[in-house]
Amino acid sequence: GAVVSQHPSRVICKSGTSVKIECRSLDFQATTMFWYRQFPKQSLMLMATSNEGSKATYEQGVEKDKFLINHASLTLSTLTVTSAHPEDSSFYICSALAGQKQYFGPGTRLTVT
Amino acid sequence: AQTVTQSQPEMSVQEAETVTLSCTYDTSESDYYLFWYKQPPSRQMILVIRQEAYKQQNATENRFSVNFQKAAKSFSLKISDSQLGDAAMYFCAYCSISSNTGKLIFGQGTTLQVKP
Repeated sequence: GAVVSQHPSRVICKSGTSVKIECRSLDFQATTMFWYRQFPKQSLMLMATSNEGSKATYEQGVEKDKFLINHASLTLSTLTVTSAHPEDSSFYICSALAGQKQYFGPGTRLTVT
Repeated sequence: AQTVTQSQPEMSVQEAETVTLSCTYDTSESDYYLFWYKQPPSRQMILVIRQEAYKQQNATENRFSVNFQKAAKSFSLKISDSQLGDAAMYFCAYCSISSNTGKLIFGQGTTLQVKP
């Protein structure tokens, strides 16, 4: 149980375009999901907390107009990187909260050319 | 604000041996959760073990056990009978209960190499 999926697993996009990443809890409902960014050999950096039916809460320094988060249902949260630039290239990970445990998706590798 | 520190960027262990990964944290709260997560080369984060601060007994999960020292704010992970599949990056994480956000505060991570 407690499986979280992410789609796509990897995406390449051109500078200036937008890309959407989906995070789904497959066998449980999650009112809260989290989005992280991770650079190679570094820790996870929390970007925002996604709450179903309400606006996301962004961490300090994260541009909310650039990283749009929508949590439209109890099993789906999406992260849209708008007007992507090469510096947005990174590994993005989502997680879903069940009880007091976070269950993580497999991550999405974004490359902006 | 709470912080989590992992002072060992890299560790290595011989297969079948035991290794201990260190983690210290800073908090003024009395009730919280502590976690160890494993991130293998696939980069899928896997929950290894969880400790509730109000429990004095150290958590164990098969070959994985923790040494939780609340007064010292220390939370080390011991891996016994190390296997090649244990090679990964390990993250220590803190979760406040009183904030009720479910947010995790991660340490910097420790890369564990297992030598055959």
